[in-house]
Amino acid sequence: DTEVTQTPKHLVMGMTNKKSLKCEQHMGHRAMYWYKQKAKKPPELMFVYSYEKLSINESVPSRFSPECPNSSLLNLHLHALQPEDSALYLCASSQGQRQNTGELFFGEGSRLTVL
Amino acid sequence: GQQLNQSPQSMFIQEGEDVSMNCTSSSIFNTWLWYKQDPGEGPVLLIALYKAGELTSNGRLTAQFGITRKDSFLNISASIPSDVGIYFCAGQNNDMRFGAGTRLTVKP
Repeated sequence: DTEVTQTPKHLVMGMTNKKSLKCEQHMGHRAMYWYKQKAKKPPELMFVYSYEKLSINESVPSRFSPECPNSSLLNLHLHALQPEDSALYLCASSQGQRQNTGELFFGEGSRLTVL
Repeated sequence: GQQLNQSPQSMFIQEGEDVSMNCTSSSIFNTWLWYKQDPGEGPVLLIALYKAGELTSNGRLTAQFGITRKDSFLNISASIPSDVGIYFCAGQNNDMRFGAGTRLTVKP
C-alpha cells in the first residue's frame, strides 16, 4: 500500500466548477510534487514544493493553483478547467529535492474528468 | 530539455522469457530510477541507481547506471504474468523526468 494518500480517487467537474485535489504523506518527506499523466503517456511534472515553498512551476496555466499548507499536505486547486485537462493527477513525495535524496513515492492518483 | 529516450515502446513475450529495456539521454543524470505502473495506479519504484557503473538487483530485476551517466537498462529474468504493466525509466537532477515507457505483455 502506498504511503502517499490522494483524494478523491475520481473527480468529474464542469468547466465552471472549483474543486481541489488533496495529497497527504506522513513519511517526514520534505519535498512534494504534482504530476499530470495523460493516457499512455509518462507523468509530466507540474509543480515541486521543497520545505513548503514552491520551487518549480513548469509553466502550468493559472487555472491550476497549488498549495502546501504544511510539510505533510499538498493541495491542487482547480478552477475554470478545460476538457483537455482531463487526466490522472499524481502526487509524489521524496525525502528531499536535491540529488540522491529523491526516490519519489507516488500516490495512486486522482482521475479527473472535465466535462 | 532533459529528454529521455526509452525503448522498446512495447514488448510481447512468452512467460519465462527474459526482458531487456533501456533508456538514453543527451543529458547527464545524477540518479536513474525504474518504476512500474499498473492500470489505474501510481508508479511504484522498482530500483534506484545512484552511482555511475552501479549494477543493482531486486529479485528477478537487474538495472545498471551507465558509465557516462546518460543511460540505464533494466532486465527482467524469467518473466511471469504479473510482470505485465508499463515500465518507466526516470532520470533525476533537481527534478525527475520520465521516459515514454515500455508496455510489457506476458503471454502465459
